[in-house]
Amino acid sequence: GENVEQHPSTLSVQEGDSAVIKCTYSDSASNYFPWYKQELGKRPQLIIDIRSNVGEKKDQRIAVTLNKTAKHFSLHITETQPEDSAVYFCAAISNQAGTALIFGKGTTLSVSS
Amino acid sequence: DTAVSQTPKYLVTQMGNDKSIKCEQNLGHDTMYWYKQDSKKFLKIMFSYNNKELIINETVPNRFSPKSPDKAHLNLHINSLELGDSAVYFCASSSGSGANVLTFGAGSRLTVL
Repeated sequence: GENVEQHPSTLSVQEGDSAVIKCTYSDSASNYFPWYKQELGKRPQLIIDIRSNVGEKKDQRIAVTLNKTAKHFSLHITETQPEDSAVYFCAAISNQAGTALIFGKGTTLSVSS
Repeated sequence: DTAVSQTPKYLVTQMGNDKSIKCEQNLGHDTMYWYKQDSKKFLKIMFSYNNKELIINETVPNRFSPKSPDKAHLNLHINSLELGDSAVYFCASSSGSGANVLTFGAGSRLTVL
């Protein structure tokens, strides 16, 4: 089955700096890679996703890159703001029957002003 | 309108008791899930139903019994509760199984004393 590793587990940056979170996956059949943000006491919410037919996707200050050969993908947040402070989860899944999103263990991002 | 709603939001109970958590989605999705988030924030898939049929049953103790009366509802019943069952249980849904966006409910925090 799929296994997703996520690093770092904690990340502290100053407001305005960039933050990068990296994930690797094990199943070469995985073709969908979403990122979820979970604020304290709230539900995980999708912030950006990428499918295996593209290498990069950007949405304002957030971007995701995918390297299928190396089986890793990364989340990039530029110009960080205090409201970016949260736990971020990467995940992976294939289109095979009987699969579900497998999540990394999360990265706690703290942005200090 | 809440897309994925869970009840109760908080549940405090004694070891050995039996409890249930209910989930409903109004998104018209045909696949629903239960995820467990432990104290270390790790999100782990427990079960998945597609059109009322169980398609994923991870290595979860058989004290946990999901039930889907129709594709808009997925309930979780837990027998003989143990201390280690304390966690936040998230219901989620998606349009089809596989590589699709997951929408989470607000979570149900279970505390076993």
